[in-house]
Amino acid sequence: DGGITQSPKYLFRKEGQNVTLSCEQNLNHDAMYWYRQDPGQGLRLIYYSQIVNDFQKGDIAEGYSVSREKKESFPLTVTSAQKNPTAFYLCASSDGGTRYEQYFGPGTRLTVT
Amino acid sequence: DQQVKQNSPSLSVQEGRISILNCDYTNSMFDYFLWYKKYPAEGPTFLISISSIKDKNEDGRFTVFLNKSAKHLSLHIVPSQPGDSAVYFCAAPAYFGTGTSLTVIP
Repeated sequence: DGGITQSPKYLFRKEGQNVTLSCEQNLNHDAMYWYRQDPGQGLRLIYYSQIVNDFQKGDIAEGYSVSREKKESFPLTVTSAQKNPTAFYLCASSDGGTRYEQYFGPGTRLTVT
Repeated sequence: DQQVKQNSPSLSVQEGRISILNCDYTNSMFDYFLWYKKYPAEGPTFLISISSIKDKNEDGRFTVFLNKSAKHLSLHIVPSQPGDSAVYFCAAPAYFGTGTSLTVIP
């Protein structure tokens, strides 16, 4: 059963701590993405990766870091430098090439206090 | 600056009538557009797409229209059903609008 998994669904952290959000896909997709959604806003691109060991900054990369050591995994680290980390985080993947539709995971709601 | 805009945050429609969701974009280099449907606390799911070489794409009850000169696209849902109630996002492809919350009233 192919898809994207994100864990955990809810995550709570204290201010000043780094936290890593997991994203795994078994769709054999080349490209993977991380988005952030805030109330009343659309999805904003944090980072994306089109192939293993390569990734690019999106519109709001400051305070975040990623790695892409394996095709199926694209973890996102929210660092203490991110000023407003509390948000709903969505991971997605796409086949690449001429197919642009992205397949999304269920999301992780991160709350930092 | 938002490159994809959905200016209507919400829309209510009677069951059986047409729902029209609108989207505007600013970047003339965009050549592919997608609509996603999203339920609360879930990830969006792909609905329908259109390439800039077309001005219309249809899939069952869903039709997307593209007006390149106006940098405008719209999603038509006919007939609307209560199960269509969700937030709809326009995207191009990694730039997303802010979404329109559609409520279909039985």
